[in-house]
Amino acid sequence: DVKVTQSSRYLVKRTGEKVFLECVQDMDHENMFWYRQDPGLGLRLIYFSYDVKMKEKGDIPEGYSVSREKKERFSLILESASTNQTSMYLCASSLKGAIEDTQYFGPGTRLTVL
Amino acid sequence: KNQVEQSPQSLIILEGKNCTLQCNYTVSPFSNLRWYKQDTGRGPVSLTIMTFSENTKSNGRYTATLDADTKQSSLHITASQLSDSASYICVVSASQAGTALIFGKGTTLSVSS
Repeated sequence: DVKVTQSSRYLVKRTGEKVFLECVQDMDHENMFWYRQDPGLGLRLIYFSYDVKMKEKGDIPEGYSVSREKKERFSLILESASTNQTSMYLCASSLKGAIEDTQYFGPGTRLTVL
Repeated sequence: KNQVEQSPQSLIILEGKNCTLQCNYTVSPFSNLRWYKQDTGRGPVSLTIMTFSENTKSNGRYTATLDADTKQSSLHITASQLSDSASYICVVSASQAGTALIFGKGTTLSVSS
């Protein structure tokens, strides 16, 4: 089974802090994604990566950056956390080139910025 | 504009009853449609995936249908159980680079005893 793990289930940070959210997948997937999920808005794509050291902006990249130094690890960085970044953050991975490009999700990190 | 609309927004049913969730989409070009189940506090898990040529797909008590002409899909849950309480998300993939997924906002299902 594909396993996607995220470093924290719950995180509380203060405004202005630098925040790192880590995601690791164990299935050698090329594609990795970061989403945020807010009530009434559904999942929105922040950034994705097709390969090591490659990154692409999603629909809402402002205020975020990412890092992919190794294939299995994809990090989301909030350079200076703000209260409007309080949300559930979900990481996902998928196999590149697969016809059924199902994304496998991690358990999520609920981030609260005070 | 590519959109996925789900209805109802929320639903409460008694254990053992059946229910149907709806998904309408305006996504072009269409590649496939998935239904995900998301338990509270967890990440979404894929239930079914259907391509243009498929009009029904089952996964245990879950049956998804797809009408590509009317751009509608439904998820039917038979003999509901308490563990079916979750959010169900319809996701449509456009025939582009693999990240072109359009997510619906989900239907929250509560099954009560």
